[in-house]
Amino acid sequence: DTGVSQNPRHKITKRGQNVTFRCDPISEHNRLYWYRQTLGQGPEFLTYFQNEAQLEKSRLLSDRFSAERPKGSFSTLEIQRTEQGDSAMYLCASSDAQFQADTQYFGPGTRLTVL
Amino acid sequence: GDSVTQMEGPVTLSEEAFLTINCTYTATGYPSLFWYVQYPGEGLQLLLKATKADDKGSNKGFEATYRKETTSFHLEKGSVQVSDSAVYFCALDTGANSKLTFGKGITLSVRP
Repeated sequence: DTGVSQNPRHKITKRGQNVTFRCDPISEHNRLYWYRQTLGQGPEFLTYFQNEAQLEKSRLLSDRFSAERPKGSFSTLEIQRTEQGDSAMYLCASSDAQFQADTQYFGPGTRLTVL
Repeated sequence: GDSVTQMEGPVTLSEEAFLTINCTYTATGYPSLFWYVQYPGEGLQLLLKATKADDKGSNKGFEATYRKETTSFHLEKGSVQVSDSAVYFCALDTGANSKLTFGKGITLSVRP
């Protein structure tokens, strides 16, 4: 068990560029979550996958955001036409959820800075 | 909607002091409640959880009791250590998808 990994750890981009982040969950975890955390705030839910199916998306996830989990393993989060307001820490978590309240294991996050 | 309110921080204590961090929540249904901790330079880690009223979660000397009548889940530790310095987040989960709703977090600094 190597834990949840995220790449890159840091990303600096110019406004208007596209960025893509990757999350590798704990092996065989069927649930994968994306959260966004801004300075001084707690993480906010963005979207959730059960295996390869994206089952819920937050209203925070504008049309510029898209997430995939093509084979039910790793996931990518893409932000198109980045804006300065997208600057945040993007967190990924996974769980082997059979029941409600199973533990979510978080990755170290990808810190995005949009100039 | 669901929400979690944490006391304002930061909190600074001397080693061996008693710690209480307040957390109250608003939720439909019967949420599960969590405390997560983020040590400097590390990712979020589950500290403890409670899944129903009157349950007590405990770990590493920390405790929190699920109080449905006061919609609270306050975190306590009898004697803090310098190594407990971190950011602490209270969170809840109400739905079948188990997405977490977090409070703003509070920074705890423990001085020797």
